[in-house]
Amino acid sequence: DADVTQTPRNRITKTGKRIMLECSQTKGHDRMYWYRQDPGLGLRLIYYSFDVKDINKGEISDGYSVSRQAQAKFSLSLESAIPNQTALYFCATGTSGAYEQYFGPGTRLTVT
Amino acid sequence: SQQGEEDPQALSIQEGENATMNCSYKTSINNLQWYRQNSGRGLVHLILIRSNEREKHSGRLRVTLDTSKKSSSLLITASRAADTASYFCARGGQNFVFGPGTRLSVLP
Repeated sequence: DADVTQTPRNRITKTGKRIMLECSQTKGHDRMYWYRQDPGLGLRLIYYSFDVKDINKGEISDGYSVSRQAQAKFSLSLESAIPNQTALYFCATGTSGAYEQYFGPGTRLTVT
Repeated sequence: SQQGEEDPQALSIQEGENATMNCSYKTSINNLQWYRQNSGRGLVHLILIRSNEREKHSGRLRVTLDTSKKSSSLLITASRAADTASYFCARGGQNFVFGPGTRLSVLP
């Protein structure tokens, strides 16, 4: 969905490196989410933010941090990447008035 | 931790047939949603059913919800090759819990 963009789309990095994944949205939504997807495990919530000053840990936040720079921007950082963080990462947006979420195209991250 | 899962994990049918996928969950929900994911792409919202609803339709999609059994089903009628994708249910509340999904293959 072009309304939710993620950069980069693919990234290969080495163990121990710091890496940032970025998400931008033009939908005007107040809520933003970061998920990771591993084969056979579905999506797991890493962090979520209901507005610029609100940051909450999800199911699997260890090893990750986030920054909500503006309503439209939500970044995910891996402070020191490790191989088991190799996964597909999705950003999603939503509103307080509705339940459905809108997903970006994903970032495929490989940690070697 | 996962609160339930979709069943079956994979389903292969012929074009024109109906496809049924099931979702079970363990705790109370406000609503349940179904999403589709084409290979390697972002999820797309299909349909939402609220906890006080029992059935909902959208085009070729029919969703049922049985809160007493903590289960939902998604029926795709007259399937097409373009329906080939993974389908996820998301149990919601404030945040969602996604299951591992059902991989549907529709053969031409």
